[in-house]
Amino acid sequence: SQQGEEDPQALSIQEGENATMNCSYKTSINNLQWYRQNSGRGLVHLILIRSNEREKHSGRLRVTLDTSKKSSSLLITASRAADTASYFCATRTRRGAQKLVFGQGTRLTINP
Amino acid sequence: KAGVTQTPRYLIKTRGQQVTLSCSPISGHRSVSWYQQTPGQGLQFLFEYFSETQRNKGNFPGRFSGRQFSNSRSEMNVSTLELGDSALYLCASSLGDSLETQYFGPGTRLLVL
Repeated sequence: SQQGEEDPQALSIQEGENATMNCSYKTSINNLQWYRQNSGRGLVHLILIRSNEREKHSGRLRVTLDTSKKSSSLLITASRAADTASYFCATRTRRGAQKLVFGQGTRLTINP
Repeated sequence: KAGVTQTPRYLIKTRGQQVTLSCSPISGHRSVSWYQQTPGQGLQFLFEYFSETQRNKGNFPGRFSGRQFSNSRSEMNVSTLELGDSALYLCASSLGDSLETQYFGPGTRLLVL
């Protein structure tokens, strides 16, 4: 079963707009990571946020984490056509098997 | 540094056959993880190897196995292939003894006929 669930499943916006994707998870985590995947290729690591952090920035990316609600959000500002991809959240659980568990992803389309 | 490489990139097999996929991690990385990606199940963790030992394992049948060599290169084997094994198999490497910041290869796309 998936630990993370992304919302929405698909998002289509105009170039220059901001894109927000949400991720919810079920169990306690050590950290949460966001990845990007272009057209069925390998995943590219975007950002990692630890369970004791609330917000993190990297370039045009902003990630928040709310452990009380077991949720995270990824904000991409000033979107570009090259941002068109699928975005996945992945959690590393605190207990049990130490493995990365991915959500189903959000398909983001940036329209020129 | 060169990234994670996977060979072959594409593979077509028939039911009942076996297949071996290879992964070369980033130089200096000792942890290698394998994932299966399908449209229906998404990305699922197969197993992780660290210093030639399987350290974590996902919920896959015993037909899926792997190993890691002393140079950290890893292979994954699937025996008695089933149609449902058709997927993109992704390998990821990372530093040290955690699963943080995994760097993924381009994947091997396996089609089972």
